[in-house]
Amino acid sequence: SQTIHQWPATLVQPVGSPLSLECTVEGTSNPNLYWYRQAAGRGLQLLFYSVGIGQISSEVPQNLSASRPQDRQFILSSKKLLLSDSGFYLCAWSIQSAGNTIYFGEGSWLTVV
Amino acid sequence: QKEVEQDPGPLSVPEGAIVSLNCTYSNSAFQYFMWYRQYSRKGPELLMYTYSSGNKEDGRFTAQVDKSSKYISLFIRDSQPSDSATYLCAMSARPLAAGNKLTFGGGTRVLVKP
Repeated sequence: SQTIHQWPATLVQPVGSPLSLECTVEGTSNPNLYWYRQAAGRGLQLLFYSVGIGQISSEVPQNLSASRPQDRQFILSSKKLLLSDSGFYLCAWSIQSAGNTIYFGEGSWLTVV
Repeated sequence: QKEVEQDPGPLSVPEGAIVSLNCTYSNSAFQYFMWYRQYSRKGPELLMYTYSSGNKEDGRFTAQVDKSSKYISLFIRDSQPSDSATYLCAMSARPLAAGNKLTFGGGTRVLVKP
């Protein structure tokens, strides 16, 4: 069966510091990968998605970037965090060829202070 | 106007009652519909998936799609305190292959009181 791992689960970072959130998927090959953000009391906002290694699409102009160095690895980064980057970040995957649903990781809580 | 509308709640019901949740949408091209359950500080988990119109039942959960009214529903029978969570609807017009994406509702918070 497929599993998705996301870390760290919780982090508190000062304004202006860098960020790296990592996500890996096991049990499937060539998945679509996604990064979402869920601000407090708000819905899910798609930040980035990837259909393959090195292929990243950005949905919202922002202070964040994403990379996919390996087939099942997806990384969310920032060079300098802003207070507005605080939120709950979720990695997700879907089957490349025929999937109609996405599956989420456990999420990473980021507080920028 | 949002593409998918969902009452944020909270919806409070006594244990054993039927929970009724719904979403309305504006894009008539949507044909893949999902419901996710999200516990506090956890990632959403897929509950139900429905293609096009009709009903689907899975245990205590029933999902309904009315494409003519652009309206989807989720019913939870014999609700339990463990059903207390936020329920998110999601939908898409095309399969997620080739970069197509889901559109989510904002979620409805449900509280089931013992």
